[in-house]
Amino acid sequence: QSVLTQPPSVSAAPGQKVTISCSGSSSNIGNNYVSWYQQLPGTAPKVLIYDNNKRPSGIPDRFSGSKSGTSATLGITGLQTGDEADYYCGTWDSSLSTVVFGGGTKLTVL
Amino acid sequence: QVQLQESGPGLVKPSQTLSLTCNVSGGSISSGGYCWTWIRQHPGRGLEWIGCIYYSGSSYYNPSLRSRVTISVDTSKNQFSLKLTSVTAADTAVYYCARVKGDIVVDNWFDPWGQGTLVTVSS
Repeated sequence: QSVLTQPPSVSAAPGQKVTISCSGSSSNIGNNYVSWYQQLPGTAPKVLIYDNNKRPSGIPDRFSGSKSGTSATLGITGLQTGDEADYYCGTWDSSLSTVVFGGGTKLTVL
Repeated sequence: QVQLQESGPGLVKPSQTLSLTCNVSGGSISSGGYCWTWIRQHPGRGLEWIGCIYYSGSSYYNPSLRSRVTISVDTSKNQFSLKLTSVTAADTAVYYCARVKGDIVVDNWFDPWGQGTLVTVSS
């Protein structure tokens, strides 16, 4: 059971927008930065968003992040078939003194 | 740009020690301010942070693994290592090395990542 809760799966059509939620508590999301990762099949995760809403160089602005209270959200617009992947949120948990991740969300682009 | 590559045995016997190395290329592991990290992913499951170490030697471990984990740095070889003792089948996973820039508590976003290496614990 992951400390951060994500929906197991989401789906949308090409060109549409999708959001993936990540729910936590005051000991993690509520008081720490959130990052988001994309894991394409058979590959290592890659950071998409850090510090809640910042994109590393090279990440298209189709990807966005936000945080409100103890929840964070990853948004993806203009969906492409190449976006089919598992997405993970992560942050520090001050009570557990460790980095924690969500269980992952599988995105299907129909 | 910095690239990371894991190496080590793909098969470890139960009760033995899992040892992996992450080779850092394209940059010096002695560059200050980076926490050199290990993360694992059990088959078909999510990510688990194992711990990280700064060049200075300061290290941080997941409390659930702390009693069995040691992460160390070898500046002469520009690499860092993971040792996990008394392994069981539950330690079977893909092990990734990665880098954090800054304070692991505040700036805990991982980039880049190695490609990962599967370690199976079995007799």
